[in-house]
Amino acid sequence: EIVLTQSPGTLSLSPGERATLSCRASQAVSSPYVAWSQQKPGQPPRLVIFAASRRATGIPDRFSGSGSGTDFTLTITRLDPEDFAVYHCHHYAGSRVTFGGGTKVEI
Amino acid sequence: QVQLVQSGTEVKKPGASVKVSCKASGYNFASNAIHWVRQAPGHGLEWMGWIHTGNGNTRYSQKVQDRVTISRDRVASTVYMELSRLRSEDTAVYYCMREGLGYYFDFWGQGTLVTVSS
Repeated sequence: EIVLTQSPGTLSLSPGERATLSCRASQAVSSPYVAWSQQKPGQPPRLVIFAASRRATGIPDRFSGSGSGTDFTLTITRLDPEDFAVYHCHHYAGSRVTFGGGTKVEI
Repeated sequence: QVQLVQSGTEVKKPGASVKVSCKASGYNFASNAIHWVRQAPGHGLEWMGWIHTGNGNTRYSQKVQDRVTISRDRVASTVYMELSRLRSEDTAVYYCMREGLGYYFDFWGQGTLVTVSS
């Protein structure tokens, strides 16, 4: 079973700064199966990045995803106040889904 | 527009069962699988299982496979998640989510809080 480890657990930054979030898999996975979602308090998650690097509909270009093998990264350049939230990575393959523990981006 | 609307808050006693519904609209119900995840207070997301809304095939996580049943009603465009033998650790917000045209989830229900307490 693949385990996803997200780091850091919490990222304390200011608006305008750059955020770099990590998602590490316990074994090599294929990029098409990795995605990122954003969750604000009291709301369901919202898709941000799919297939490791493709932005979902309506997601601003300050969000980007990269990575391969075991290491994947979500980068937010120039944090906007609306970007402060929890970010989850997930892997979906073989009819099973695994989520990472999440990274909270706080002001 | 695509919408997933879930049933309301539930409060159950340990040992009971709960059945949460997820009504889909705005697209061809049979063309996208529906998954269920849950989120315990202050915790991350835990995948529970999915259903192929076309043929009804299901797959469950090992953790809950002996207690969960996911079903669908194609006429009503609704997916159900039933969890039995509830315990306090099952207290969580339960979400349904639609599988997109790839290995990701593009629409989510609003969430259903299930509280298990004696």
